[in-house]
Parts: sequence; C-alpha cells; structure tokens
Amino acid sequence: KAGVTQTPRYLIKTRGQQVTLSCSPISGHRSVSWYQQTPGQGLQFLFEYFSETQRNKGNFPGRFSGRQFSNSRSEMNVSTLELGDSALYLCASSLKQGGGELFFGEGSRLTVL
Amino acid sequence: ELKVEQNPLFLSMQEGKNYTIYCNYSTTSDRLYWYRQDPGKSLESLFVLLSNGAVKQEGRLMASLDTKARLSTLHITAAVHDLSATYFCAVDTGRRNNTNAGKSTFGDGTTLTVKP
Repeated sequence: KAGVTQTPRYLIKTRGQQVTLSCSPISGHRSVSWYQQTPGQGLQFLFEYFSETQRNKGNFPGRFSGRQFSNSRSEMNVSTLELGDSALYLCASSLKQGGGELFFGEGSRLTVL
Repeated sequence: ELKVEQNPLFLSMQEGKNYTIYCNYSTTSDRLYWYRQDPGKSLESLFVLLSNGAVKQEGRLMASLDTKARLSTLHITAAVHDLSATYFCAVDTGRRNNTNAGKSTFGDGTTLTVKP
C-alpha cells in the first residue's frame, strides 16, 4: 500500500514569491492535514481538509491556503513568501476527520532566501 | 488553548539503561498518540492510546495513558542505539471542545540520544 506522497521534496524560493505544495494521501484516506515544522516552533497545525472542505484551521495568516480535490489529493499554497516561512511542511493523511492516527509524508523542505 | 508539554526535551542515556518520557496535556482527551522522527525524516506512528489506562508495548518501548491525570508516559527499557530519535506525543481534542476542534496538537518532542 503506497504511503503519503509529497512533492516537491525540496525547493528554494525568494521573498515575495509564492509556492504550491502537493500531497497525495494513502488510498482510502479522506482526511489530509498540513503541519509546519521549524526548529523554533515545533510542529504547528496549518489546516485539515476532509471531503474537499476545510474542516479546521490553525493560527496562520491568510497567505497560507489550501484545497482538496475529489480524489482526496491536497495542495497548499503560500503567497508572498517571507524568510520565516522556511520550514519543513508535512502532510498527513488519516481515515477519520479531526485527528486520529496520522500517516505522514516525507515532507517538502522550503527555503526562502 | 490546548497545551501539550513533554519532558525532558533532550535526553542522553547509556545503552542498557531505562528511562521515561512524560507527556502532559491541559484539556480533556482520551486519544493520544506517540510518533517517532529520525533526523531528516518524517514522523512515524508508534502507539495509539484511546482510553484511560491504555497500555501498548512494542519492543523496548511501552506507552501508557492516564486520562484523569492528563498524562502519558513512554518508557524505554534497556535502551539501544537504534532508539536514538525524536519522540513526539500528540493529543486529539475532537469536536467536544470547539476551540481545538478536530486536530492533533503536538508536544515539542523529546530528542533521545543513546550512547554506547
């Protein structure tokens, strides 16, 4: 059974640019959550999507957005990048909405210069 | 707002020794998870604890949950080098508490280093 797939794995952007990250969940999982991981802030919840609807959102500015498609694949977008957005962005899928055991992808490591 | 606190944050121990990592959380929940993260890697689920008094064991690791004390422990028995990693606990608050509805909140992680 294929795991959670995230693309791209690494990317470098400059301030002011935007970025789109993609996540394909485990087959049959309808919930996709996104987390930002940084050395200083740890793992911070960004948002969760279930059945193409955002079900919960963390305390991040509106520059961070996401969506989910009918096949449960999800994308997150960060606009007007800032240096502080440099982080590992982790996608996790689960069977149930609102938490549960999470299965993480390898992450997308974003560096903003 | 839900707070999840782990201690210690850093743990260096000798092979063969025992130790316990603690995870305290600030609101009612009966769903707690432990994850492992190796350097440069993603998180891997270790244990799922879904009720008060739940105990799970896998190899040299044993996790338990006391929902009344809002405390989970991860006990390491006779540590080996392969256990070196960062361990996270995560707490679900579900929809009973609308402030934290429907997400897992993670502790800061405990970085374990096992030395020969």
